[in-house]
Amino acid sequence: DAGVIQSPRHEVTEMGQEVTLRCKPISGHNSLFWYRQTMMRGLELLIYFNNNVPIDDSGMPEDRFSAKMPNASFSTLKIQPSEPRDSAVYFCASSLGQQAFFGQGTRLTVV
Amino acid sequence: AQKVTQAQTEISVVEKEDVTLDCVYETRDTTYYLFWYKQPPSGELVFLIRRNSFDEQNEISGRYSWNFQKSTSSFNFTITASQVVDSAVYFCALSWGGGTSYGKLTFGQGTILTVHP
Repeated sequence: DAGVIQSPRHEVTEMGQEVTLRCKPISGHNSLFWYRQTMMRGLELLIYFNNNVPIDDSGMPEDRFSAKMPNASFSTLKIQPSEPRDSAVYFCASSLGQQAFFGQGTRLTVV
Repeated sequence: AQKVTQAQTEISVVEKEDVTLDCVYETRDTTYYLFWYKQPPSGELVFLIRRNSFDEQNEISGRYSWNFQKSTSSFNFTITASQVVDSAVYFCALSWGGGTSYGKLTFGQGTILTVHP
């Protein structure tokens, strides 16, 4: 298995633009998680899905952030409009049971 | 509330020294899992170990060992005979809630380990 695949690996965008991060979980995993890593706040959970249904989005910072999981093999995290403070590394992880497997992350820079 | 504290922000050692990374956690749940992840300079998160709350046996894997003590809510990680390739940020994490939420992790702030040749 190729593991959790995230794209793009790096994204640079201008403030105010829409940005979409993508994630393909490991086949057969039924839970998917989006995390954000910043120097100030460390690694924090934004949202997680189980069987494609959002279960807990209490970590989503504000309405500019939205996440979808239209099917078991794909999820998106969208920021619209983006702001410089959204600059971070965004990780996607998937799990089937007690261990989460992380993707390599997307480094987002909003200028 | 769940909380993980890694009091050591940075540790610097010379190759072949032993080093222990501390982790203290807080949770009211009786069933939970503890993890250690490694984040090398390339940025990915690499899983090292998982331990459930009912298993206090220490574990050794090569140069790595883990000491889990529920009495002190600690889950410490020791690297024996450290090597330059061990240089990374190490995260301790806690998950709880059961079922499908075990990937829902609360992370500590991480410890930056630098191993000098």
